[in-house]
Amino acid sequence: GENVEQHPSTLSVQEGDSAVIKCTYSDSASNYFPWYKQELGKGPQLIIDIRSNVGEKKDQRIAVTLNKTAKHFSLHITETQPEDSAVYFCAVVSGGYQKVTFGIGTKLQVIP
Amino acid sequence: NAGVTQTPKFQVLKTGQSMTLQCAQDMNHEYMSWYRQDPGMGLRLIHYSVGAGITDQGEVPNGYNVSRSTTEDFPLRLLSAAPSQTSVYFCASRAYFRGENEQFFGPGTRLTVL
Repeated sequence: GENVEQHPSTLSVQEGDSAVIKCTYSDSASNYFPWYKQELGKGPQLIIDIRSNVGEKKDQRIAVTLNKTAKHFSLHITETQPEDSAVYFCAVVSGGYQKVTFGIGTKLQVIP
Repeated sequence: NAGVTQTPKFQVLKTGQSMTLQCAQDMNHEYMSWYRQDPGMGLRLIHYSVGAGITDQGEVPNGYNVSRSTTEDFPLRLLSAAPSQTSVYFCASRAYFRGENEQFFGPGTRLTVL
């Protein structure tokens, strides 16, 4: 089955700095890579996603890059703010969500 | 739209008891799924459904049953609860056949089995 590794498990940054979270996967058939933000006591919420035919996608302060050859993708958050503090999950999807594997999550703390 | 709703928010069971976790969505999504979230393990897919009357197993289906009689509802049943089923359970839905990939999650049910 799919194996997804997510690093780091915890990340502390100063407000205004950038944060980068990386995920690697094993199944070359995977074709959709979403990132979720989970705040305390809530369900995960999609923040950005990328499909296998795209190398990079940006939405304001958030960007995702995908390297299909190396089988890894990364979440980049610039100009971090305290409200960015949360747990972030990557996911790898193939077969139209019939196969979906999540990373273990990264707890991001933005220090004011 | 209420989105994806789950009840109850919290539940404590004794080993061997049964219960049903409720999930409903009002977005007319074909695809619905159940995940469990455990510390250090991310979210793991339990069961999913691509439409009324169609269900299939995910990564960790043992000990759980599902059915899908309507588009809106997708209950998860624990027939005989075990301490290993202590977890936070999330229901999710997405539009499957319209090519949209965003998956919407409910607020979760925190289950403790003693």
